[in-house]
Amino acid sequence: SYVLTQPPSVSVAPGQTARITCGGNKIGSKSVHWYRQKPGQAPVLVVSDDSDRPSGIPERFSGSNSGNTATLTISSVEAGDEADYHCQVWDIISDHYVFGTGTKVTVL
Amino acid sequence: EVQLVQSGAEVKKPGESLKISCKGSGYTFTNYWIGWVRQMPGKGLECMGIIYPGDSDTRYSPSFQGQVTISVDKSVSTAYLQWSSLKASDTAMYYCARRGSAFPIWGQGTMVTVSS
Repeated sequence: SYVLTQPPSVSVAPGQTARITCGGNKIGSKSVHWYRQKPGQAPVLVVSDDSDRPSGIPERFSGSNSGNTATLTISSVEAGDEADYHCQVWDIISDHYVFGTGTKVTVL
Repeated sequence: EVQLVQSGAEVKKPGESLKISCKGSGYTFTNYWIGWVRQMPGKGLECMGIIYPGDSDTRYSPSFQGQVTISVDKSVSTAYLQWSSLKASDTAMYYCARRGSAFPIWGQGTMVTVSS
């Protein structure tokens, strides 16, 4: 089945830029969605279809997708951005959703 | 307001059966797929399957086929996830989510603990 690989952790200083990658075979041909999950809370969609931001999500969150890597970029990182981030795609071959392994973002 | 409200936490013994629920409100329930997502303690998210309330079309992820049953009752705008014989390894948080192209709407989660 389709596998999505994320780095286990990313650390970033406040005000800097965090980049979280999601690797998968020809992921650039798929639509990638990103979720933020804070401890004890349900996931929240922050980017859909590679680069669309749902209502209420700050412009600091952006996404890109090409080749074998999709990237979630968080600009001007704030302490409140500390959370786990998960990527997701629909695998048309197996006809089901696949999540990435998840990345813990730590704000230093 | 569009929302999904899940049933409360459960503590069960191995071998017992269980059915948890997810009630949709604020939108036409039959028009959107509902997915169930498992999160084991300290682990990532896993999509178990999705169901279309309009006609009960159900798609299971390969890892969960035969392990759980996903169903829906349109008359009460509620989706269900059930087990016939729980195992300790079913201990996890379970979320339902409404599908758009992604999952923009999530329930609050139901914690299931299976322990002897």
